[in-house]
Amino acid sequence: NAGVMQNPRHLVRRRGQEARLRCSPMKGHSHVYWYRQLPEEGLKFMVYLQKENIIDESGMPKERFSAEFPKEGPSILRIQQVVRGDSAAYFCASSLPGQGFTGELFFGEGSRLTVL
Amino acid sequence: KNEVEQSPQNLTAQEGEFITINCSYSVGISALHWLQQHPGGGIVSLFMLSSGKKKHGRLIATINIQEKHSSLHITASHPRDSAVYICAVIFNNDMRFGAGTRLTVKP
Repeated sequence: NAGVMQNPRHLVRRRGQEARLRCSPMKGHSHVYWYRQLPEEGLKFMVYLQKENIIDESGMPKERFSAEFPKEGPSILRIQQVVRGDSAAYFCASSLPGQGFTGELFFGEGSRLTVL
Repeated sequence: KNEVEQSPQNLTAQEGEFITINCSYSVGISALHWLQQHPGGGIVSLFMLSSGKKKHGRLIATINIQEKHSSLHITASHPRDSAVYICAVIFNNDMRFGAGTRLTVKP
């Protein structure tokens, strides 16, 4: 039973390019959460998704960032026109249906974005 | 003031010592998570608590809802326990994280 899979593990982009980070939750999990960890800072919640539905995006920057979790395929965090300040580790977690944040969370290994 | 405060920020221990990491929060919560982030960066969920106490191997987590406080204990610490331990609280369908406690266990 594979855990939460994130890819790419490392991504380098130049300023102005787009970054797409993918997260495949554990089998049977329908809730996905994205978190960002800036260098030398703590984790911050970004967005909580169920399939085809954004439940809470209160932690998402208002511009350039978007997330989706389609009926088929992985969840995608998309950052348009990246800037140096977007350089961070982006973690995805998943949980079982119906549990939300109060269920056990399973984390991916993270995707480390570096913007040159 | 951060809603979630962890102490200490950094902790160095000798192998075999009993470790306590504390987490205090200022909001009413529905649950609290303890996470472990290894030097390589990966995150593992250790415990999810809404009341009382949980134990897994050498790890024990307790929570006192009235006092808005949780502790993570490690018995017979080992160098492989060296990691950053993060407390995260759930309130109003939101998740807020402590800054983490960096634990180093020396052989």
